Amino acid sequence: DSGVTQTPKHLITATGQRVTLRCSPRSGDLSVYWYQQSLDQGLQFLIQYYNGEERAKGNILERFSAQQFPDLHSELNLSSLELGDSALYFCASSEVLAGGTGELFFGEGSRLTVL
Amino acid sequence: AQSVTQLDSHVSVSEGTPVLLRCNYSSSYSPSLFWYVQHPNKGLQLLLKYTSAATLVKGINGFEAEFKKSETSFHLTKPSAHMSDAAEYFCVVSRYNQGGKLIFGQGTELSVKP
Repeated sequence: DSGVTQTPKHLITATGQRVTLRCSPRSGDLSVYWYQQSLDQGLQFLIQYYNGEERAKGNILERFSAQQFPDLHSELNLSSLELGDSALYFCASSEVLAGGTGELFFGEGSRLTVL
Repeated sequence: AQSVTQLDSHVSVSEGTPVLLRCNYSSSYSPSLFWYVQHPNKGLQLLLKYTSAATLVKGINGFEAEFKKSETSFHLTKPSAHMSDAAEYFCVVSRYNQGGKLIFGQGTELSVKP
């Protein structure tokens, strides 16, 4: 158990809808990262927050947004969903900015299916 | 730009035989390199990391990897495979001070036959 909790584990919704994925980082970790894993794109970095502030952005679509709250939990909001958004969304956390250490602790993911 | 290429999408070995998962990297800077493992329906777990210290890196569960700058490689090895090693393995590169922006390879699925 990594200590990172993601909810929901599974989510099925329709095109055009909006969903929110939630992540609770390990106790004491200030950094939260979101990754998307799909069959065609593999694992892709979406966005990173550190202590409530956005620190790095990857291949995140404009329809997606995220935030980190004062209690350090994070939410990833996906709107105007398309079939291609179906994927496994991972949250990870680290104590500090992971930088070269690469020591991220991953949750078990939220599997999103868009029908 | 940084990238990693995992040379095999699928590797199959027999239990008790050696494991070799191949990874080549490309980086304009001194890279930090990692191997992560993903068991079915689980999150990713760090196996080992190279961050410019010793070129031979030992990780968990008997895995190790050797950083070879001249070959731009970071292959993952294990002397003797166990059934529990069956999983997806990801070679990962990052640049120091890039936060958690890890760049993942496409993954190698390791199957272990009894």
